[in-house]
Amino acid sequence: AQKVTQAQTEISVVEKEDVTLDCVYETRDTTYYLFWYKQPPSGELVFLIRRNSFDEQNEISGRYSWNFQKSTSSFNFTITASQVVDSAVYFCALSESSTFNNDMRFGAGTRLTVKP
Amino acid sequence: DTEVTQTPKHLVMGMTNKKSLKCEQHMGHRAMYWYKQKAKKPPELMFVYSYEKLSINESVPSRFSPECPNSSLLNLHLHALQPEDSALYLCASSQEGGGGETQYFGPGTRLLVL
Repeated sequence: AQKVTQAQTEISVVEKEDVTLDCVYETRDTTYYLFWYKQPPSGELVFLIRRNSFDEQNEISGRYSWNFQKSTSSFNFTITASQVVDSAVYFCALSESSTFNNDMRFGAGTRLTVKP
Repeated sequence: DTEVTQTPKHLVMGMTNKKSLKCEQHMGHRAMYWYKQKAKKPPELMFVYSYEKLSINESVPSRFSPECPNSSLLNLHLHALQPEDSALYLCASSQEGGGGETQYFGPGTRLLVL
């Protein structure tokens, strides 16, 4: 059974601080995909990144970076120099390639508040 | 601009009403999804359509009835809802519905059942 744990329920930082959101997953599949989504107060889930289980390279996109470590089953997300617009709920999700119907399992989410 | 649109943005309905939520995607995807999201919870999958055929129905009560008229459109018909059905309803789409595909979400419909 697949499972995603986001232990941090809420994080509050001051603008320009760096912040890391943790994600730990469980799966028995060897081929799987990990995702991060951002959900601002407006409600829409915004896709941020997709990473497959065979690609452990870290990725950087502007102020965002992701650290994928299979050894610890973690896929952490770091925002550098946070801004007020980064305030949102962030979801980590897992989808196994063996899942015919693309059943994506979400973590509970981490609410990030960036104060000016 | 989001390529998955949902209407209406907000809906208030009584327990005896019949209403429909609509979703449209403009990405040429062949799989579409309905999720329900309660406050401070992650989205929960309700239905999946792949190539216009229902492939998942996650034990959702019959007062929710999905419909996929074509690969670009997805409806959710609502009838005799309960107050606990109040939630954000999200639509998503992906390429074909296979495991691991990225799902792209619409802005959601906020439903309040009185």
